[in-house]
Amino acid sequence: KAGVTQTPRYLIKTRGQQVTLSCSPISGHRSVSWYQQTPGQGLQFLFEYFSETQRNKGNFPGRFSGRQFSNSRSEMNVSTLELGDSALYLCASSGGLDNEQFFGPGTRLTVL
Amino acid sequence: GQSLEQPSEVTAVEGAIVQINCTYQTSGFYGLSWYQQHDGGAPTFLSYNALDGLEETGRFSSFLSRSDSYGYLLLQELQMKDSASYFCAVSPGNTPLVFGKGTRLSVIA
Repeated sequence: KAGVTQTPRYLIKTRGQQVTLSCSPISGHRSVSWYQQTPGQGLQFLFEYFSETQRNKGNFPGRFSGRQFSNSRSEMNVSTLELGDSALYLCASSGGLDNEQFFGPGTRLTVL
Repeated sequence: GQSLEQPSEVTAVEGAIVQINCTYQTSGFYGLSWYQQHDGGAPTFLSYNALDGLEETGRFSSFLSRSDSYGYLLLQELQMKDSASYFCAVSPGNTPLVFGKGTRLSVIA
């Protein structure tokens, strides 16, 4: 079974631009969560989608948004990029039965 | 709210045993998970404890004490490839995992 895939793997943007990241979960998984990882801060939860609905949301500004499609693929969007948005963005999918989350390789975003 | 505390760095010798502790404060609690992340890689699931006690999976064991809001990850017969960051995470219940800031384990010869 294929793992979680994320595209693109690397991205360089400038302040003020917007960016869209994509995540394809493991086949059959309906829950997709997004995390931001920065050095020293661990993984900070952004939001979770389940069956095309946002089920949970972390404490991030409204510039961060997401959506999920009927095939469970998910996208997250960050508008008006700031330097502090530079991070590794991880997507994880879950089958929901045993709390195990399967992470994708991440998208490393650099904002200049 | 939720908070988790774990040491930021641990160094241990190859072949030895190391314990990484995690204490937590959460408004709800269903279980404690551990994830491993190598530099440049994605976090990978190691273990999950929903009940008090020790869970063993090969060289790795994980322990939970719900009454003490405390758990640990025990790595035995350390190998150089075990050098990585280890994250504890709690399942508050109706929200996804909340992660600690991670413990960077360095295994030295």
